[in-house]
Formats: sequence, structure tokens, C-alpha cells
Amino acid sequence: QVQLQESGPGLVRPSETLSLTCTVSVGSITGYYWSWIRQPPGKGLEWLGYIFYSGDTNYNPSLKSRVTMSVDTPKNQFSLRLSSVTTADTAVYYCVRASGPGTAGYFDYWGQGIPVTVSA
Amino acid sequence: DFVVTQSPDSLAVSLGERATINCKSSQSVLYSSNNKNYLAWYQQKPGQSPKLLIYWASTRDSGVPDRFSGRGSGTDFTLTISSLQAEDVAVYYCQQYYTVPWTFGQGTKVEIK
Repeated sequence: QVQLQESGPGLVRPSETLSLTCTVSVGSITGYYWSWIRQPPGKGLEWLGYIFYSGDTNYNPSLKSRVTMSVDTPKNQFSLRLSSVTTADTAVYYCVRASGPGTAGYFDYWGQGIPVTVSA
Repeated sequence: DFVVTQSPDSLAVSLGERATINCKSSQSVLYSSNNKNYLAWYQQKPGQSPKLLIYWASTRDSGVPDRFSGRGSGTDFTLTISSLQAEDVAVYYCQQYYTVPWTFGQGTKVEIK
């Protein structure tokens, strides 16, 4: 059973950079696409982007150039950086595994989520 | 972007009765080369992470009770709970993975009447 665990600060100041890490345990990061999804309080789900274990990425255009994802295969970790945050970036952030052929992705394993608040 | 729209936004169903949720995509999610619909359904219970219920529009994930079923093709899909149980109270989301950016419906809240 694949397990994912998010880690990082729960409070970020406006205009600063949000940084989160996801550790994959009981399973390998190799061979899969790994995504970040967020959920603002009381709202729906937004896919932020994916990173392949090789380092290939694809980001949601809605985030423009603010998002960067990276992978550390030896540590079985992948990370999210979101720059120039505003209060609109306050949300629960989930790391998830995407499965499917090629770049198709349904999300079969989810982390427990980490709440991040953007506030001065 | 693909827009995925669910209806209704919420519904209340009596225990043991059928619940049906609709999902409509702005463009077809049927991939002609493999005849598969790139659509998934998730269940999110209060305070929990979403859980995958169905992928390829109609394939139940491992361990998902058979009272959950998905059907449809192209742009129109449904998730049916054949006999609602108390533990099915949740918000349900559909998601297209035909093309990036992968997008979700706005969610449908299912409650007990």
C-alpha cells in the first residue's frame, strides 16, 4: 500500500514562497507521475501540476509561472514551490500519485493533506 | 481548458434509496485509439482526503463496494449509488484526465434525507 506524507510550514507570509515536500513510502517513486492538488477552505479540488520520476513536468497554466516541482528519486520525495503567494493560495495541499497509460492521470493514492495559510 | 460540470450541487436521499450524480464535460473524453473514457470519480468524506472510486468511467477501484457504479461515454457520465448507506455521506467529484490541465467538477454533496 503506497503511502504519501506531506511536510512543510503551515503558515506563509504574503509575497513569499510556499515550499512543501512529499515523502513516498511503502512504494517506489519510479515509473509514476506525481501531482499536487489543493483545496481552498470549503471549496473544490484544483490540480496544480505533475512531475514524472525522470523530472519531466507539466503545470496548470492557471498558476502561470509561479509553480515549480522537483523530484529526489534516491530519497523517494518530490516537492512543490509556489512563489509570490497571496491569501488566495490558502488551502489544504495534497500530494497524490497519478496512474494511467502515458500521461493520463487518475489519482489512486493521496496524502492526508497539509493545511497552509497565507497570512501576515 | 476542459470544463467539467456536475449536477446537482447537492442531493438528499433516504437510506437504501438510489442516488445519481451527473457529470458533463465540455469536450469528449473518449480516446478513439483505445475506446476508453478518461474520467474518474472520487469520494471525499468530511475531514478526509479524497478517495478514488471509479476510473475509465466505469471501473471500480479495488475494495470499492459494488453499490457504486459509473457509466456514460463521450461527454455525459453518471455515478450511481444503488442503495445509499450512512457511510456514503460525502462530497463526490468527477475528474477528466483526457488532457492537461486535468480538471475536476465542482463537487456534489450527498446527504441523508
